[in-house]
Amino acid sequence: TQLLEQSPQFLSIQEGENLTVYCNSSSVFSSLQWYRQEPGEGPVLLVTVVTGGEVKKLKRLTFQFGDARKDSSLHITAAQPGDTGLYLCAGLIQGAQKLVFGQGTRLTINP
Amino acid sequence: EPEVTQTPSHQVTQMGQEVILRCVPISNHLYFYWYRQILGQKVEFLVSFYNNEISEKSEIFDDQFSVERPDGSNFTLKIRSTKLEDSAMYFCASINEQGFSPLHFGNGTRLTVT
Repeated sequence: TQLLEQSPQFLSIQEGENLTVYCNSSSVFSSLQWYRQEPGEGPVLLVTVVTGGEVKKLKRLTFQFGDARKDSSLHITAAQPGDTGLYLCAGLIQGAQKLVFGQGTRLTINP
Repeated sequence: EPEVTQTPSHQVTQMGQEVILRCVPISNHLYFYWYRQILGQKVEFLVSFYNNEISEKSEIFDDQFSVERPDGSNFTLKIRSTKLEDSAMYFCASINEQGFSPLHFGNGTRLTVT
């Protein structure tokens, strides 16, 4: 069973602080995706990382794919209340046809 | 932007009843998926479908589950005899090619089994 461990599962910080969410596995992924999910809705894609060591930026969000393509991180700079939500990492298994999800990180940014 | 649409948004059914969850994937997509998310838990893979047949399924997808693409647009998930533990959000997803393409998810059907 391929497992993606996401940490922390819950994070509550003050507006303006920085944070990092981690996604780790012993499996190698052909790509890794980060999604954000609002209550009652489906996951919405934020970014896809493909190459080992790749870094992608989306405004205040920075996504990094590990060199060995087994792990990834999401860093948010100067968090804002609008960043509050459930963040999911999901890896595409090499040679398979499915996306495996982490447990998610429920992020709360307090004004 | 094209969307994956799912109906109904909420389905309440009694234990033992059959339910059919419907999805309309993005029109030029070729690979289709069902995932489920029990309240407070992770998103779990159920089944993938390509070229009119199941390409992979998880251990959750037992004989009570089936999928079908009855016409060129709809993709359905049937649960033959629902159990209480089938209560969850069910998400349909599609992509146009394998590899690095991200999945496009619908907004889900909340299934409540009483």
